[in-house]
Amino acid sequence: KAGVTQTPRYLIKTRGQQVTLSCSPISGHRSVSWYQQTPGQGLQFLFEYFSETQRNKGNFPGRFSGRQFSNSRSEMNVSTLELGDSALYLCASSSGGQGPIVEQYFGPGTRLTVT
Amino acid sequence: GQSLEQPSEVTAVEGAIVQINCTYQTSGFYGLSWYQQHDGGAPTFLSYNALDGLEETGRFSSFLSRSDSYGYLLLQELQMKDSASYFCAVLADRGSTLGRLYFGRGTQLTVWP
Repeated sequence: KAGVTQTPRYLIKTRGQQVTLSCSPISGHRSVSWYQQTPGQGLQFLFEYFSETQRNKGNFPGRFSGRQFSNSRSEMNVSTLELGDSALYLCASSSGGQGPIVEQYFGPGTRLTVT
Repeated sequence: GQSLEQPSEVTAVEGAIVQINCTYQTSGFYGLSWYQQHDGGAPTFLSYNALDGLEETGRFSSFLSRSDSYGYLLLQELQMKDSASYFCAVLADRGSTLGRLYFGRGTQLTVWP
């Protein structure tokens, strides 16, 4: 079974621009979560989607948004980029369902650098 | 809110045993997970404890005490390939019945030959 894939792997953007990151979960997984990882803050939860609906949301400004498609693929968008948005953005998939998500499978991440 | 504390760095030699502690403060606690992340790699799931006690999986074991809001990851017979960051993560809810993971800042384990 193929793992979680994320594209692009590396990205350099200028402050003020916007960016869209993509994540394809493991086949059959319906839940996709997004995390921001920085050296100082560790992994910070952005949001989680299940069956095209946002089920959970972290404490990030509205510049961070996401969506999920009917095939469970997900995208996240960051508008009006700031220098502080430079980070590794990780996507994680799980089978989802009604209960809490215990085990998540992470993709390799997208390394975003904002200059 | 949620808070997790774990040491930032731990060092040990090959063949040794190391314990990485994690203390947490949270409401709506479901359980404690551990993830491993090698430099440049993706976090990978190691274990999940929902009940008090020790769970053993090969060279790795994980312990939870819900009454003490404390857990640890025990790595035995250390190998060079165990050098990585280890994250504890609390699975907890905040009004949602679904819960989500709250990660600690990670412990960098360095194994020396």
